[in-house]
Amino acid sequence: DTGVSQDPRHKITKRGQNVTFRCDPISEHNRLYWYRQTLGQGPEFLTYFQNEAQLEKSRLLSDRFSAERPKGSFSTLEIQHTEQGDSAMYLCASSPGRLAGLAKNIQYFGAGTRLSVL
Amino acid sequence: AQSVSQHNHHVILSEAASLELGCNYSYGGTVNLFWYVQYPGQHLQLLLKYFSGDPLVKGIKGFEAEFIKSKFSFNLRKPSVQWSDTAEYFCAVNADNYGQNFVFGPGTRLSVLP
Repeated sequence: DTGVSQDPRHKITKRGQNVTFRCDPISEHNRLYWYRQTLGQGPEFLTYFQNEAQLEKSRLLSDRFSAERPKGSFSTLEIQHTEQGDSAMYLCASSPGRLAGLAKNIQYFGAGTRLSVL
Repeated sequence: AQSVSQHNHHVILSEAASLELGCNYSYGGTVNLFWYVQYPGQHLQLLLKYFSGDPLVKGIKGFEAEFIKSKFSFNLRKPSVQWSDTAEYFCAVNADNYGQNFVFGPGTRLSVLP
């Protein structure tokens, strides 16, 4: 499978614990995005990387959230001191870079990591 | 700030009925527009996209959408739905001046009865 992969698919944690999710984008894509999706809503943008540089962050991304993409390949999203309100599906997407022309704006999504905070 | 609204939360149709799902966005500048579909238990998949040119765009599985700039709309259509079209449909907007911030609508759940 050469699509976007996310791990784990489901994470159950207790309030106050830290969690980390991983995303592996499509190999030739240098843009990577994180979204959060709650029930009955569309995905909400969290942050965006071009290669290893984190270029945009949403105000939704509080201080408890941190994302990295250390070598410009896979990315991790960490949530510290989880709260029940963090329960959601966390989606990762990737897209080609500028050399792809307009195709750079097409995002390919992974299956997501469903977080349940008890 | 950009926002996207989708007119219907849940649409129920019989097979062979025609479909139109509404999508409106708030940004007045140059936009890129998308429809994504999420089948039960699967990840989001691109259905179709509009970047520029012909405002009537065709996507996969017989879907099409029309961009009407004056109405800030990008409605999705299909002349005859099938049971397999049962899914959640999301409209998304990316405005050129908003970098890579993609804004999705809340989604419309489509149920097609056999």
